[in-house]
Amino acid sequence: QKEVEQNSGPLSVPEGAIASLNCTYSDRGSQSFFWYRQYSGKSPELIMFIYSNGDKEDGRFTAQLNKASQYVSLLIRDSQPSDSATYLCAVSSYGNNRLAFGKGNQVVVIP
Amino acid sequence: GAGVSQSPRYKVAKRGQDVALRCDPISGHVSLFWYQQALGQGPEFLTYFQNEAQLDKSGLPSDRFFAERPEGSVSTLKIQRTQQEDSAVYLCASSLAPIYSGGRAFFGQGTRLTVV
Repeated sequence: QKEVEQNSGPLSVPEGAIASLNCTYSDRGSQSFFWYRQYSGKSPELIMFIYSNGDKEDGRFTAQLNKASQYVSLLIRDSQPSDSATYLCAVSSYGNNRLAFGKGNQVVVIP
Repeated sequence: GAGVSQSPRYKVAKRGQDVALRCDPISGHVSLFWYQQALGQGPEFLTYFQNEAQLDKSGLPSDRFFAERPEGSVSTLKIQRTQQEDSAVYLCASSLAPIYSGGRAFFGQGTRLTVV
């Protein structure tokens, strides 16, 4: 089992809709959770981070963390064509300074 | 500098050739990471430095891979006797504080290595 799983295939959403992405992780000791956005041919860009159970909102983005169920999600409200990218979930465990990444989910926002 | 800088952006190497990839982290960032990203996959951890100390090299795939950060700033990832399976984008990231204590990692543009 991979440390971080992102199993959904490409997600197509109409402009203005909500895009919902999910990520599960295997290490119960995980403490820090990150969402990165990666445009094609570009490097990952940090867009959200969350450490505590519950929701964290930043503009049109909301990260949700449920440590009991070991999942973290990302909601993108009012999706725009510029949100079309691959979204990478990354997790770090206590005392461990490396990030474990999922394979990413591609989001396509259709105008 | 303003961000993490990597050079070269693109490198084509003949199989068996040695290559060296450079990373200039954000000024003052203590932690420096190297990742390997294959096409269609997420980044895979290679190694991590805190200042000049290499604290974790568990992700280096073979002894052909070597990384150093002698003065705690610029880092070099060296790959000896390159093989076709080494073809990937090599990403460098840096963070002001360790990730486990709230640090956030910022990535460079990467070096795309193609071994022919």
